[in-house]
Amino acid sequence: DTGVSQDPRHKITKRGQNVTFRCDPISEHNRLYWYRQTLGQGPEFLTYFQNEAQLEKSRLLSDRFSAERPKGSFSTLEIQRTEQGDSAMYLCASSWTNRRQGAVEKLFFGSGTQLSVL
Amino acid sequence: AQKITQTQPGMFVQEKEAVTLDCTYDTSDQSYGLFWYKQPSSGEMIFLIYQGSYDEQNATEGRYSLNFQKARKSANLVISASQLGDSAMYFCAMREAFYTGTASKLTFGTGTRLQVTL
Repeated sequence: DTGVSQDPRHKITKRGQNVTFRCDPISEHNRLYWYRQTLGQGPEFLTYFQNEAQLEKSRLLSDRFSAERPKGSFSTLEIQRTEQGDSAMYLCASSWTNRRQGAVEKLFFGSGTQLSVL
Repeated sequence: AQKITQTQPGMFVQEKEAVTLDCTYDTSDQSYGLFWYKQPSSGEMIFLIYQGSYDEQNATEGRYSLNFQKARKSANLVISASQLGDSAMYFCAMREAFYTGTASKLTFGTGTRLQVTL
């Protein structure tokens, strides 16, 4: 168990450019989440996957954002035409859950990708 | 709408002493869960403890305990015997529909920075 891995750790880009982040969850975890954390705030939910299906997206996720989890393993988060307001830490989390397990789903977070849009 | 409030931006505690981090919440849901996460400077969110709204006993996990007062809508984290390694940001979070097995869309507070001193 190597934990949740995110790449890159830091990304600096110019406004208007596209960026893509990658998340490798803990192997065999069936759920994967993306959260965004701005300075001085707690993380905010963006979207989540159950295996390869994207089941929910927050209103925070504008049309410029797209997330995929093509084979139910790693996930990518792409931001098109970045804006300065996109500057934040993007956190990925994964979990294993099923109804027999009970109610408590523990999320395991990665260290995040810090995005700075100049 | 659900909301988490953490009124202490920063706290200091001496090594080996106990410290309480405050958290109040607001929700119209009867079935919810409350969580505490630790975020060290490395960035990842580390799960510490949870409490379900129907749990009658306060949760404990090693040196962490959750002082759950449902009528007051508070879920304070108590850390006993503080250690230097406890220095970090601490976030309180809530998940509605806790017992139905839906996704962990957590709502986080703004966090409390804990500094443990010698």
